[in-house]
Amino acid sequence: GESVGLHLPTLSVQEGDNSIINCAYSNSASDYFIWYKQESGKGPQFIIDIRSNMDKRQGQRVTVLLNKTVKHLSLQIAATQPGDSAVYFCAEGGAQKLVFGQGTRLTINP
Amino acid sequence: DSGVTQTPKHLITATGQRVTLRCSPRSGDLSVYWYQQSLDQGLQFLIQYYNGEERAKGNILERFSAQQFPDLHSELNLSSLELGDSALYFCASSIASGGAFYEQYFGPGTRLTVT
Repeated sequence: GESVGLHLPTLSVQEGDNSIINCAYSNSASDYFIWYKQESGKGPQFIIDIRSNMDKRQGQRVTVLLNKTVKHLSLQIAATQPGDSAVYFCAEGGAQKLVFGQGTRLTINP
Repeated sequence: DSGVTQTPKHLITATGQRVTLRCSPRSGDLSVYWYQQSLDQGLQFLIQYYNGEERAKGNILERFSAQQFPDLHSELNLSSLELGDSALYFCASSIASGGAFYEQYFGPGTRLTVT
């Protein structure tokens, strides 16, 4: 069946370092990928998206990379800050629904 | 603040009962999505409505139903509740119709506890 998985359930980084959160997806027909950030007690918040016809997309301090050959998606956060502490979900879209991964918890060490 | 509102914030009820969760989408958004988030299942898509009509269905149990009203708010009805239904229920909205994906804005969620 379709599934979106994450390589690491937790990630701990030093403040100021770059963070890389990885995600594997299984449905090669997916044409839309999104990263969401969920802080404790809140709903998921859109970070960045990428369509399947792109390999890379940059936002403010974030970059999403898509490797369709190996069905891999990553989120890079530059100069990680304490406010980046959250659970990060990747999601793949196709047809009419999103399939979310289990999430990676990012913690920031001072 | 995403602009999506959900009520109630917390709900505690007993097994076998029925509850209704309410969602108001962002102004201008026509699509409403419902998701269930539990510790062992992550975020699961339940159902989508677009402009009052059901557009897509995910892992929604037969005991659950939803509808979207003419003013575009949506309700998720959960009946014959079981302990395993305890979870966070999120509503999201987007401007999109079905068939194409655009940014979904999530509400703050309703935490349902079934005892």
